[in-house]
Amino acid sequence: NAGVTQTPKFRVLKTGQSMTLLCAQDMNHEYMYWYRQDPGMGLRLIHYSVGEGTTAKGEVPDGYNVSRLKKQNFLLGLESAAPSQTSVYFCASSFLAGGDEQYFGPGTRLTVT
Amino acid sequence: GENVEQHPSTLSVQEGDSAVIKCTYSDSASNYFPWYKQELGKRPQLIIDIRSNVGEKKDQRIAVTLNKTAKHFSLHITETQPEDSAVYFCAANNAGNMLTFGGGTRLMVKP
Repeated sequence: NAGVTQTPKFRVLKTGQSMTLLCAQDMNHEYMYWYRQDPGMGLRLIHYSVGEGTTAKGEVPDGYNVSRLKKQNFLLGLESAAPSQTSVYFCASSFLAGGDEQYFGPGTRLTVT
Repeated sequence: GENVEQHPSTLSVQEGDSAVIKCTYSDSASNYFPWYKQELGKRPQLIIDIRSNVGEKKDQRIAVTLNKTAKHFSLHITETQPEDSAVYFCAANNAGNMLTFGGGTRLMVKP
């Protein structure tokens, strides 16, 4: 099992450019999450999904969109990147909701100049 | 919404000493409290968790305690080793049953 994978691993964008981060999991998990990690601020939830075809806003959703067309994939989109979106992005998945272990992907380091 | 505060932000100990990291939470309805360890450049991984129906849980050199009345929980690492050096995150589930994470503690174990 590959677990949770993310592509790309690194990316540099100019302000105003767009991009999509891809997360895939092979554990048949219902729940998937996108977090951003900034120094001293822990992991903050951007969007999450409770199943195929569903998405919901987390703590810091502004400037991001998501889609979950297939159960195993969860996409995070930045339509018009801003320097404030420079961060490390982690995808995670779990079988159940907030009371279950979350399995994280390796992360994507995004720099917006 | 849920607010999780974590202290200290950095902690340096000598190898063999104990380390304690503390977290407080605001939502009295929270009932699940995991701890994640993130080594440098790696992904966070669950090391231990506790539910609100127990006050303490141990797994070899690590233990977690929970005080529901005071709304705080702590991670205890005994006989620290250099491989314990990492960033540790506490978390609590919130009203939407998602996790709210603390800001992290960078633990450095000096050989």
